[in-house]
Amino acid sequence: EVQLVQSGAEVKKPGESLKISCQGSGYTFPTFWIAWVRQMPGKGPELMGVIYPDDGDVKFSPSFQGQVSISADKSANTAYLQWSSLKASDTAIYYCARRGRASGLDVWGQGTSVIVSS
Amino acid sequence: EVVMTQSPATLSVSPGERATLSCRASQTINNKLAWYQQKPGQSPSLLIYGASTRATGIPARFSGSGSGTEFTLTISSLQSEDFAVYYCQQYNNWPQITFGQGTRLEIK
Repeated sequence: EVQLVQSGAEVKKPGESLKISCQGSGYTFPTFWIAWVRQMPGKGPELMGVIYPDDGDVKFSPSFQGQVSISADKSANTAYLQWSSLKASDTAIYYCARRGRASGLDVWGQGTSVIVSS
Repeated sequence: EVVMTQSPATLSVSPGERATLSCRASQTINNKLAWYQQKPGQSPSLLIYGASTRATGIPARFSGSGSGTEFTLTISSLQSEDFAVYYCQQYNNWPQITFGQGTRLEIK
């Protein structure tokens, strides 16, 4: 079964750092783009950025450039999303998703809830 | 950035009836359009890509149409499990993809 499994929910304080993960299985992980998508409460999804695990090519949406880091370890079939200093406005659910060969996001992780509160 | 506008924001339909959801792009997107369904507490799931091709395992009651900047998702005979939020998404210039704000399909 093709799946993406994300790390568990996080509760952090403003200013703290965080790294969440997304592990793929059931397919050739390095050769599919992985997207990170933010969904704030009651809102639509927003693309943050993407990574091609095979060569580490990363591209960001303009709104998220400089706000987060994206990386991958292809030997571990895992992609990561990282913050160096969280803000309350980073409170959201974060999904990873695979870009399918036909270009829709065809496989999604279960989501990681991040709550940032003092 | 391509802005995706969905209408209506909420659609109330009775089970067994047809639902028609609309999505407009701020510029032409060469049919690079996908539709997703999201149920409460779940991740979005892909329904349609390429404006009209059903993803694997998607029932035939779901159909997508349109071209240029205007697109439609039609659910021909609503089942109880179809009541959810639906998002359109353009991917004409990967990776600068954008989503609409969603249409909530509720039971009338």
